[in-house]
Amino acid sequence: GENVEQHPSTLSVQEGDSAVIKCTYSDSASNYFPWYKQELGKGPQLIIDIRSNVGEKKDQRIAVTLNKTAKHFSLHITETQPEDSAVYFCAASNWNSGGSNYKLTFGKGTLLTVNP
Amino acid sequence: GAVVSQHPSRVICKSGTSVKIECRSLDFQATTMFWYRQFPKQSLMLMATSNEGSKATYEQGVEKDKFLINHASLTLSTLTVTSAHPEDSSFYICSARRIWETQYFGPGTRLLVL
Repeated sequence: GENVEQHPSTLSVQEGDSAVIKCTYSDSASNYFPWYKQELGKGPQLIIDIRSNVGEKKDQRIAVTLNKTAKHFSLHITETQPEDSAVYFCAASNWNSGGSNYKLTFGKGTLLTVNP
Repeated sequence: GAVVSQHPSRVICKSGTSVKIECRSLDFQATTMFWYRQFPKQSLMLMATSNEGSKATYEQGVEKDKFLINHASLTLSTLTVTSAHPEDSSFYICSARRIWETQYFGPGTRLLVL
C-alpha cells in the first residue's frame, strides 16, 4: 500500500518568512495530493491540492509543487502570518479508484508555528 | 468548498454505554463517507469507508462489531461506539466525498469515556 513520509515534524518561522513542508510517497499509482490544515480541536481543512498532470499550483500565498519522477511534493507558504500556525498534513491517493478502494494516505503532520 | 457537519461536537459517557455520532454533508450528496480516529499529536487513522446503501469496509485492526457504521442516505452516516471503554476516548472525524471529487472533513467529535 501507499506510504507517505512528511518532514519536518515541527517548523518554527518568523512572521513574514516562508515555510516549506515536504512529503514523499511510495506508490507510483498515486495521482492526487491534497494538503490539509488542522487547527487545535478542529477537523482538517483542505487548503490546496494538486493532480499529477501538473507540476505546480498556486493560490495566493500558498503553492504546491509536485515531482512525479522523484515521488515528492511540497507545500510552500509565503509571507507567513501568526494565523498560519497549525498542523499541516499532506496526503496521497489514486483519484481513479472508486468506492471503497479510494482512500487518502496521510503523512504524520507538521506543526507550524509562526512567531510574531 | 462543501460543508460537512458532525454531531455532537463532544460527548462524555460512562464505560459500557454506547455512543452515536452523526456525520452530515450539508450541501452535497456524498457517495462515500469515511470515519477517522485521531489521538493527540498524531495523524488521522482511517477506520472505515462507507458507500450509501452498502456495508462499510473496515480497515485492518478495526473491530466492526464495536464501531458500527450506517450510511443510510447520501447525506448522513453514523458511527456508533458500542460498549465504550476509556481506551475508546479519542477525536473522531468524518469526511465525505462525491465520486471524482475531493474529500471534505467534518469538525470532529471529542469522545471521553469515564
